[in-house]
Amino acid sequence: GESVGLHLPTLSVQEGDNSIINCAYSNSASDYFIWYKQESGKGPQFIIDIRSNMDKRQGQRVTVLLNKTVKHLSLQIAATQPGDSAVYFCAENLASGWSGGSNYKLTFGKGTLLTVNP
Amino acid sequence: DAGITQSPRHKVTETGTPVTLRCHQTENHRYMYWYRQDPGHGLRLIHYSYGVKDTDKGEVSDGYSVSRSKTEDFLLTLESATSSQTSVYFCAISEPLRGPRTDTQYFGPGTRLTVL
Repeated sequence: GESVGLHLPTLSVQEGDNSIINCAYSNSASDYFIWYKQESGKGPQFIIDIRSNMDKRQGQRVTVLLNKTVKHLSLQIAATQPGDSAVYFCAENLASGWSGGSNYKLTFGKGTLLTVNP
Repeated sequence: DAGITQSPRHKVTETGTPVTLRCHQTENHRYMYWYRQDPGHGLRLIHYSYGVKDTDKGEVSDGYSVSRSKTEDFLLTLESATSSQTSVYFCAISEPLRGPRTDTQYFGPGTRLTVL
């Protein structure tokens, strides 16, 4: 079957460069955001998350920036490596509150295919 | 994959046959989810469960049913498979913090289902 990477925006970078992947989210009431990495043939893997009371969060080689004014999220990868080649997508939390049986749903973006050239 | 397994990993079946996919977790997380992933679409929620015997529909639930008889297992059933259900299916788990927030969802390795 077709790869999930088809039909996606692509970003091609040279090994060692920094990568910036962008995501526009849909709901101004969303208060939790996650970046996932998905390698070919595998399930999505958690990279980093951020809550809406923050505008920046750093992990190992990754930084997430949140601009609530324009509903924009970005993932920065420092010193990109060939192993970083994958589809990256963001997710936003649309939970509406706690009521015992309340659901915790994430809405996912379609993703960006990152290709790292050696 | 955070203690999540899915079975089978690959399946080919014919239109009209019933199919059951299994998700098993060892993390004792309360919430479990079934998604499908298709080219040109993001992950789309089929059904989810917020506890044993507690399930609800997602955005693409038609043609699917689920069951959760114990914390660690969440089954997805296609009662009569159709070609439009050819997809990659992912299970996810989460353990929400108490309060109006969600916790991270962790995904299994996926099941590739082909309906001929």
